[in-house]
Amino acid sequence: NFMLTQPHSVSESPGKTVTISCTRSSGSIASNYVQWYQQRPGSSPTTVIYEDNQRPSGVPDRFSGSIDSSSNSASLTISGLKTEDEADYYCQSYDSSNHGWVFGGGTKLTVL
Amino acid sequence: EVQLVESGGGLVQPGGSLRLSCAASGFTVSSNYMSWVRQAPGKGLEWVSVIYSGGSTYYADSVKGRFTISRDNSKNTLYLQMNSLRAEDTAVYYCARGYSTRPFDYWGQGTLVTVSS
Repeated sequence: NFMLTQPHSVSESPGKTVTISCTRSSGSIASNYVQWYQQRPGSSPTTVIYEDNQRPSGVPDRFSGSIDSSSNSASLTISGLKTEDEADYYCQSYDSSNHGWVFGGGTKLTVL
Repeated sequence: EVQLVESGGGLVQPGGSLRLSCAASGFTVSSNYMSWVRQAPGKGLEWVSVIYSGGSTYYADSVKGRFTISRDNSKNTLYLQMNSLRAEDTAVYYCARGYSTRPFDYWGQGTLVTVSS
């Protein structure tokens, strides 16, 4: 088993760029794809990044994902921040040891 | 259009049972892998269980032996039978469709389960 650790919260101004990290506690971050989900208050999560760096149709190209094996972490970067980006963001990856999935604890993004 | 609609949540006493349903439309449940994910009040997401198209099932350690995932192909519906419920099972339960390498590409609106005396 492993854990995915995210910062509890981040904040940035409209128009700026923010990066949210997701660090894997054991095993390689590259061994399984990382997904990122956005959850606005009172709503269900939606996918903003899948397969480490792919955007579903309808997700603006302001959202990008990457992985860094040297730090064993994944990152979600949102550029040109808009107030509508204010939400909780979760990273997620597959845990082959129990045939299930692990979520990070979530990061609350405030755009102010 | 893919839609997932959960139902069956409610208030139940500790030790009680509840069965959640997830009615799917726009795709065939048995042709995909389907999961339940829960979110305790004010907390993060936690994967609960998955059923694959071939019928294999897996569970998080926190619910193993107490919860059972199943599906009814004729009704295109996913279920989660929850027994021996505990206060820590209180959460919004979401069903989600898995497709290829995307384990949760569509989510339902969720149903709230409250375990309390």
